[in-house]
Amino acid sequence: NAGVTQTPKFQVLKTGQSMTLQCAQDMNHEYMSWYRQDPGMGLRLIHYSVGAGITDQGEVPNGYNVSRSTTEDFPLRLLSAAPSQTSVYFCASSYSNKYEQYFGPGTRLTVT
Amino acid sequence: GESVGLHLPTLSVQEGDNSIINCAYSNSASDYFIWYKQESGKGPQFIIDIRSNMDKRQGQRVTVLLNKTVKHLSLQIAATQPGDSAVYFCAEYNQGGKLIFGQGTELSVKP
Repeated sequence: NAGVTQTPKFQVLKTGQSMTLQCAQDMNHEYMSWYRQDPGMGLRLIHYSVGAGITDQGEVPNGYNVSRSTTEDFPLRLLSAAPSQTSVYFCASSYSNKYEQYFGPGTRLTVT
Repeated sequence: GESVGLHLPTLSVQEGDNSIINCAYSNSASDYFIWYKQESGKGPQFIIDIRSNMDKRQGQRVTVLLNKTVKHLSLQIAATQPGDSAVYFCAEYNQGGKLIFGQGTELSVKP
């Protein structure tokens, strides 16, 4: 199993550009989530999904959209990038809510 | 608001000593807690978890203690090794079923 994969690993955007961060898992996990991590801080939940077709907001959802059309994929869309969105983004999946979450390697995003 | 350049709490230990990393959680209704290890440039890696119906849980070289009275969690690492150097996060599941991370502690192991 590849586990949780994320692409790209690095990305530089200009203010106002849009892009999609990809996340996929091959463990047949129902629960998937997106976090951002800023320097010297813990991870903050952006959006999560408890199954295909179901998404909900986390702590810091503004400026991001998600969709979950399949069990395997959970893309994160930045609608109009801002410098405040410069961060490292992690995708995670788990069997269900309140179970161990497996994290991907992260995407380092810089917005100039 | 957020602080720019926030410094993580740090813990420095000698190789072979035991390490204790502490965490205070916020929600008395939280019923599931996880410790993660994050090495530089990598995603968090699961270490051990504990549910609120337990006070202690042991893994390989690690023990987690939960004190619900004072809302405190600790991670003990026995015979700390250089490979244990990393940032350690505690995380709690709140009532809404969302995983909330603490700030993290940077563990440095001196050979």
